[in-house]
Amino acid sequence: QKEVEQDPGPLSVPEGAIVSLNCTYSNSAFQYFMWYRQYSRKGPELLMYTYSSGNKEDGRFTAQVDKSSKYISLFIRDSQPSDSATYLCAMSKDTGTASKLTFGTGTRLQVTL
Amino acid sequence: SQTIHQWPATLVQPVGSPLSLECTVEGTSNPNLYWYRQAAGRGLQLLFYSVGIGQISSEVPQNLSASRPQDRQFILSSKKLLLSDSGFYLCAWSPETETQYFGPGTRLLVL
Repeated sequence: QKEVEQDPGPLSVPEGAIVSLNCTYSNSAFQYFMWYRQYSRKGPELLMYTYSSGNKEDGRFTAQVDKSSKYISLFIRDSQPSDSATYLCAMSKDTGTASKLTFGTGTRLQVTL
Repeated sequence: SQTIHQWPATLVQPVGSPLSLECTVEGTSNPNLYWYRQAAGRGLQLLFYSVGIGQISSEVPQNLSASRPQDRQFILSSKKLLLSDSGFYLCAWSPETETQYFGPGTRLLVL
């Protein structure tokens, strides 16, 4: 079983829709949670970073962490065609000398006109 | 602000040839540096990380190696490439927080 599970999609939604992207994980030691956006043939770009359980909002993006369920979500409001990309969740366990992230395989999102 | 560079952007190499990919970071000092490989449908695999000059930790056994000759320079190498080394190679850096910031990547095709 993978430590982090993420539905690969593709997920296709119309412009303006609310998008929900999710990851589940098995290791309760994960404390730091991130979402990255990756356009085709580009490096991942950090979107959201949260610590422990709770919500964090940044513009049209909301990250949610439920540590009791080992479940994290990224919500995108008023989705735009420019949001079409692969979204990767990532998480790490501790604040040691080097943060080592464990990634999901990514969900491909397509926002249509 | 910080910037991370990788080159080359694309590389096509024959099996058995050597490899050298370079990553440099600007605008910060003593960053943690990382090399990842991304294969289709398999997510990002951490290959190496470094917390300082000359300090390299390997995450997976393979025919690749890494070096950090300067504070903000990270190099990924191989003496003899295999077909299975094809993929998208990403360099990343992190400050003292848990976040990592990625470069633009190098697409490697071994034929």
